[in-house]
Amino acid sequence: SQQGEEDPQALSIQEGENATMNCSYKTSINNLQWYRQNSGRGLVHLILIRSNEREKHSGRLRVTLDTSKKSSSLLITASRAADTASYFCAPTGNQFYFGTGTSLTVIP
Amino acid sequence: DAGVIQSPRHEVTEMGQEVTLRCKPISGHDYLFWYRQTMMRGLELLIYFNNNVPIDDSGMPEDRFSAKMPNASFSTLKIQPSEPRDSAVYFCASSRQGLEQYFGPGTRLTVT
Repeated sequence: SQQGEEDPQALSIQEGENATMNCSYKTSINNLQWYRQNSGRGLVHLILIRSNEREKHSGRLRVTLDTSKKSSSLLITASRAADTASYFCAPTGNQFYFGTGTSLTVIP
Repeated sequence: DAGVIQSPRHEVTEMGQEVTLRCKPISGHDYLFWYRQTMMRGLELLIYFNNNVPIDDSGMPEDRFSAKMPNASFSTLKIQPSEPRDSAVYFCASSRQGLEQYFGPGTRLTVT
């Protein structure tokens, strides 16, 4: 299975701090995507990084990808209370799967 | 664009009844996905379609579940007969070329 596994499962930080979440997967991929889910809502796409890319930025988001280690990280800088949500990685190749998710709580 | 539309938003039914969930994907998207989310099992891919053709249904839990996509703008997920363990939030998502997925608001199913 290419299913991703996020680490940590839960993370609690103060507003203004940075939050880092990690994703590991098992097989080769074409790209890796990160999504956010607010409680009771559908997932929202955040960023896609292709397998030939090592780093990508989007606003306060920074994603890295290390295909040799089969891992990715999502960094949210200067966190806000509104960033409180669950974050999922989706390593994508010939199949579509989502990881187990990291629950992020940003304390005002 | 209105985004992915799912109906109903909430469904409460008794065990043994047939349940039909509906999804309208974003116009122009060629992939459609059905997911189920529970606290215990997380987010599970049930089935996905490409150009209205089912590609991978290995996540469909058993024969009680079936999905159809008769045209590019409509899909259904049917459970017959329903069981309490089917209680979950069911999401439909669509994408172009299998890239960024756009999720609907979900259908919260409760089977009593």
